[in-house]
Amino acid sequence: HSVLTQPPSASGTPGQRVTISCSGSSSNIGSTYVYWYQQLPGMAPKLLISRNDQRPSGVPDRFSGSKSGTSASLAISGLRSEDEADYHCAAWDDSLSGVVFGGGTKLTVL
Amino acid sequence: EVQLVESGGEVVQPGGSLRLSCAASGFTFDDYAMQWVRQAPGKGLEWVSLITWDGSQTFYADSMKGRFSVSRDNSKNTLYLQMNSLRVEDTAFYYCTRARVAVAPPDSWGQGTLVTVSS
Repeated sequence: HSVLTQPPSASGTPGQRVTISCSGSSSNIGSTYVYWYQQLPGMAPKLLISRNDQRPSGVPDRFSGSKSGTSASLAISGLRSEDEADYHCAAWDDSLSGVVFGGGTKLTVL
Repeated sequence: EVQLVESGGEVVQPGGSLRLSCAASGFTFDDYAMQWVRQAPGKGLEWVSLITWDGSQTFYADSMKGRFSVSRDNSKNTLYLQMNSLRVEDTAFYYCTRARVAVAPPDSWGQGTLVTVSS
């Protein structure tokens, strides 16, 4: 049972736009920044979005993040086959004094 | 280039102990807080522990408190995780990560090392 809630799966066809949601509470998303990670099959997670909507160098602008209240979203536009991966959201939790993660969303490109 | 290389993962019996190491390079190690995150095979990510840049403060997930201990040697650019009283449910890939701000999720990850707790 994860502190942050993500849908277990999402899908889209090449070229489509898909969004993945991440729901939390006032002690985490509601008061701190949200981070997103991409985990390709058999690989370690990689930072995709930091501080709600900041893309690290090298991350395509097809990926974007947003936050509103106690929820956040990751949007992927112009979907490509190589985007097929697990996506995880994370935030610091002031009540738990630790990082909390969502359960991960498996994205399938049809 | 940031590199975080974990080592020490192996098969251990329930109740046993293990120490993981993480060799850091490509950045100024003592500018960053460091964290351990784990992932059981086929499952989601679970935060394990955090140590501040100077080692003065440590934090742990509730299920690891009293069993795991995180430490660092800034002179060797190395992070450690001492794991005692291991349980079958501790079986996971353990990732070494760094965080620019202590109270924030990580920005870089190692490739992970597999710990298997089994009799």
